[in-house]
Amino acid sequence: AQSVTQLGSHVSVSEGALVLLRCNYSSSVPPYLFWYVQYPNQGLQLLLKYTTGATLVKGINGFEAEFKKSETSFHLTKPSAHMSDAAEYFCAVRLFPGNTPLVFGKGTRLSVIA
Amino acid sequence: ETGVTQTPRHLVMGMTNKKSLKCEQHLGHNAMYWYKQSAKKPLELMFVYSLEERVENNSVPSRFSPECPNSSHLFLHLHTLQPEDSALYLCASSQEAAVGRGELFFGEGSRLTVL
Repeated sequence: AQSVTQLGSHVSVSEGALVLLRCNYSSSVPPYLFWYVQYPNQGLQLLLKYTTGATLVKGINGFEAEFKKSETSFHLTKPSAHMSDAAEYFCAVRLFPGNTPLVFGKGTRLSVIA
Repeated sequence: ETGVTQTPRHLVMGMTNKKSLKCEQHLGHNAMYWYKQSAKKPLELMFVYSLEERVENNSVPSRFSPECPNSSHLFLHLHTLQPEDSALYLCASSQEAAVGRGELFFGEGSRLTVL
């Protein structure tokens, strides 16, 4: 069965510092991979996704993620954190092929310190 | 209206009440989902409807009853709930194709409190 592990339930960075949120998956074949963001009292919003092709994926708000098959990882990064980046971030996987629903990680809360 | 809309945004109910959550998607998608989000727990998939037919029910208690009258609307009927059912209930939709690559589009959620 596929699963998703997000390392660190809470990450705190200074404004302007690098953001790194870790995600590892377990799957026998490379899955489709997603990062979602959830701001307080809101639903989840897609940040970026990897399906096929280029392994470095760029998303909204300056975030990007790199699919590394050898490491079964899909870490999310942003060069310079902004106060508005404070939110909960979820990594999700979907097994290829098929219509299996997304499996979500437990989430990582990002705090940005001024 | 665009995207996925959920009503009500907040709901407080007693354990003997009957209420419903409503979700409407304006994206032309063919699949809809209910997720439960509780504090300190991962998102829990409750129900999946594809082309208006329920295709997955992850052992959800019968006090939760979904209804999908058409591809744009999804309901979650609630009755005799327990305090541990208090959570944020999220609706989502996707456009499913044979390879199943569709990402989910979420509504803003309905915050349920059971007293």
